[in-house]
This record gives sequence, structure tokens and C-alpha cells, in this order.
Amino acid sequence: EAGVTQFPSHSVIEKGQTVTLRCDPISGHDNLYWYRRVMGKEIKFLLHFVKESKQDESGMPNNRFLAERTGGTYSTLKVQPAELEDSGVYFCASSHLGQGAYEQYFGPGTRLTVT
Amino acid sequence: GNSVTQMEGPVTLSEEAFLTINCTYTATGYPSLFWYVQYPGEGLQLLLKATKADDKGSNKGFEATYRKETTSFHLEKGSVQVSDSAVYFCALRGGGNKLTFGTGTQLKVEL
Repeated sequence: EAGVTQFPSHSVIEKGQTVTLRCDPISGHDNLYWYRRVMGKEIKFLLHFVKESKQDESGMPNNRFLAERTGGTYSTLKVQPAELEDSGVYFCASSHLGQGAYEQYFGPGTRLTVT
Repeated sequence: GNSVTQMEGPVTLSEEAFLTINCTYTATGYPSLFWYVQYPGEGLQLLLKATKADDKGSNKGFEATYRKETTSFHLEKGSVQVSDSAVYFCALRGGGNKLTFGTGTQLKVEL
């Protein structure tokens, strides 16, 4: 079974540009999460999808961030326009609904650098 | 709100040394507690978990006990190996599904 995949693995963009990160969850996982780790700090929750619906987006930092999960499969996280403080590693995770929902399976992350 | 505090790294140990990484938490109710590990170039992997007070999670020689009286979930291993070199994250799951993480502790094990 394939794990959670994320694309790209690295992205370097200039301030003011737009970047779109993609996450493909494990097949059959209805829960999908986005997290972010800013340099050396804790990993912070951004938002949670159940299928295509946003269940909890309390961690989204501002309206420059837009997450979508059309069709309830893969998800994208767009940052527009990017700022220097958006640099960090963006992790995606997925899990089953119901039993076993505790275990979130994480992807390798996308390292975003805004210069 | 919920928070997790874990010891800062990096921690450098010799192979076969005893490891302790401290983790304490603040949460309302009865959270579930986790340790995740990130090996170089890889994503986060669940190492172990405990869902109620006095539970002990264990995996790959690592252990952690859910101590409600001290709000702690310290990670221990009796004899570390070079292959244990990684970043370790303590986390909790309170209400809802989201995880709250600590800052991570980098462990380096040398021969």
C-alpha cells in the first residue's frame, strides 16, 4: 500500500509569488490534515478535511492560504502571495474515519523556502 | 489551549547509552499521547502511543508511560543504536482529531 505522498519535495520561490503544494493521501483515507513546521519550532496544525469538506480550519494563518480537496481524494494548499514567514516544512497526513482514526500517517513533507 | 513541552536538543549519545527525552503537556480532559519519529529524509512515523492514564506505549525498544499526575510522557530506551538517530516529536490529541506537537528533539547516536 502506497503511503502519503507530497509534491514537490522542495520549492524555492520569491516573496509575492504563488506556490501550490499537493498531497495524495493513502487510498481510502477520508481524513486529510495539513500541518506546518516553521524552522526549529513545533509542528502546527493548519486544517482538517473529512472527504471534501473542511472539518476544522482553525490553524490556517490568514487568507493567503487556500486549501482544497475536490472529490475527496488529493488535496492542494496554495499560498498566494507568499511571504518570508511562510517558509517551513508543510506536512500532510491522512487517516481512516472511525476506528483507527487516532493514527495519522504522514507524508515526507514539502520544504518551502520564500526568499 | 493544549500544549506540549519537550526537552530541547540536540541530544548526543554513545551507542548503547540510556535515552530519556522528557515531555510534559497541558490539556483539558483526557488526551491521547504520542511519540512520532522523523528519520533523515523521511516523513513522520508513529513510534508509540498511549490513550489513557498509566498506559505504557512501547515499540522498537522505546517506551513511554502516560503519567496523569505529572502530566508527562517521557520517552525512554535502554540501549540506543546509531540507527535511532532522528528527530523525536511528542504530541497529544485532545478534542477533535488534530495533533498538538512539541518542538522536536534531535537525537544523534555515535559509535
